[in-house]
Amino acid sequence: GNSVTQMEGPVTLSEEAFLTINCTYTATGYPSLFWYVQYPGEGLQLLLKATKADDKGSNKGFEATYRKETTSFHLEKGSVQVSDSAVYFCALSDPGGYNKLIFGAGTRLAVHP
Amino acid sequence: NAGVTQTPKFQVLKTGQSMTLQCAQDMNHEYMSWYRQDPGMGLRLIHYSVGAGITDQGEVPNGYNVSRSTTEDFPLRLLSAAPSQTSVYFCASSQAGTSGDTQYFGPGTRLTVL
Repeated sequence: GNSVTQMEGPVTLSEEAFLTINCTYTATGYPSLFWYVQYPGEGLQLLLKATKADDKGSNKGFEATYRKETTSFHLEKGSVQVSDSAVYFCALSDPGGYNKLIFGAGTRLAVHP
Repeated sequence: NAGVTQTPKFQVLKTGQSMTLQCAQDMNHEYMSWYRQDPGMGLRLIHYSVGAGITDQGEVPNGYNVSRSTTEDFPLRLLSAAPSQTSVYFCASSQAGTSGDTQYFGPGTRLTVL
């Protein structure tokens, strides 16, 4: 079946460090791919998305490229800030129909000054 | 726009009790869904609806009922609460049920079943 695997956390970084959070997926067909972010005590917010192979999603300095050949959608940011501390979820939208999201387990990021 | 709203924010139940988690959206979205979030497991789909009067099961539907009588509201009912239903519940909506549509999430309801 369809699934998403993302790197386990927590990830602890100093401010201005480079961030990579790995995400790989298994799916039949061509899913859409998403990164959602959850700040403490809040619901999930869409961070970025890509709907077809080789698309790059970007927002707030974060980027991820839809790589069909490696079934990956790794999240990157060149210089993290303390305010980026949150839990990040990689997800895919079931290509079999409707907008059913399948999530990875989430990666907690802690950024220290 | 208020977006997606959920009530209550917190709830404690005893085993066997029933309750309804409320979800409403004011964006005229056709597609709505319920997820539960458990530690180390991400979010899992409970039920979804592609429009008023139409609902279907997700990955983990047992113990939950839904109905969709209006476009705006999508309540989730726990018929007889069990400790395994202790979780954080999120409601989400999107413009249509098309793969790739952005889903907007509510703030969540934290449920504890004793």
